[in-house]
Amino acid sequence: AQKVTQAQTEISVVEKEDVTLDCVYETRDTTYYLFWYKQPPSGELVFLIRRNSFDEQNEISGRYSWNFQKSTSSFNFTITASQVVDSAVYFCALSEASGGSNYKLTFGKGTLLTVNP
Amino acid sequence: GAVVSQHPSRVICKSGTSVKIECRSLDFQATTMFWYRQFPKQSLMLMATSNEGSKATYEQGVEKDKFLINHASLTLSTLTVTSAHPEDSSFYICSARGALAGGNEQFFGPGTRLTVL
Repeated sequence: AQKVTQAQTEISVVEKEDVTLDCVYETRDTTYYLFWYKQPPSGELVFLIRRNSFDEQNEISGRYSWNFQKSTSSFNFTITASQVVDSAVYFCALSEASGGSNYKLTFGKGTLLTVNP
Repeated sequence: GAVVSQHPSRVICKSGTSVKIECRSLDFQATTMFWYRQFPKQSLMLMATSNEGSKATYEQGVEKDKFLINHASLTLSTLTVTSAHPEDSSFYICSARGALAGGNEQFFGPGTRLTVL
């Protein structure tokens, strides 16, 4: 069975601080996909990144960066110089890589990030 | 990019009535659609998976006679909440996956907020 753990329920930072959101996953598959989504108060999920299990390179996109470490089954997300607009719930998710599974997503419980001015 | 719409965005109904929610893939053919439910301050929970032309597969604990899913075309899936009760009040989100739209990636609709009085 697959499982995604986001141990941080809520994080509060002051604008311009860096913040890291943790994600630890469990799967028996050797091939899988990891995702991060942002859910602002409006409710609509915003896709941030997808990473397959064979690509352990870290990725940077503007103020966002991701650290994927298979050895510790972690896929952490860092926001540099946080802004008030970054306030949202962030979900980490895991997908099986088998087409027969329809690539079902398993979500973590989410981390509520509040960036204060 | 791939766009998924949902209608209505909000619905308020009386207890005992049925409510239909539509999920449409606007610019790709969705071979698989997913329905999620999200209670306040909780994560997304997968309710069911539907493949076009087939019966939906429901997750454990989800009543298939209460949550009717129809995926009659490659661009439309509907979720009908029958005999709704206040405990069915929730945020319902659909997602769609298609071979030509990222393969294993799901594209999410904006969600439908259901309130049952």
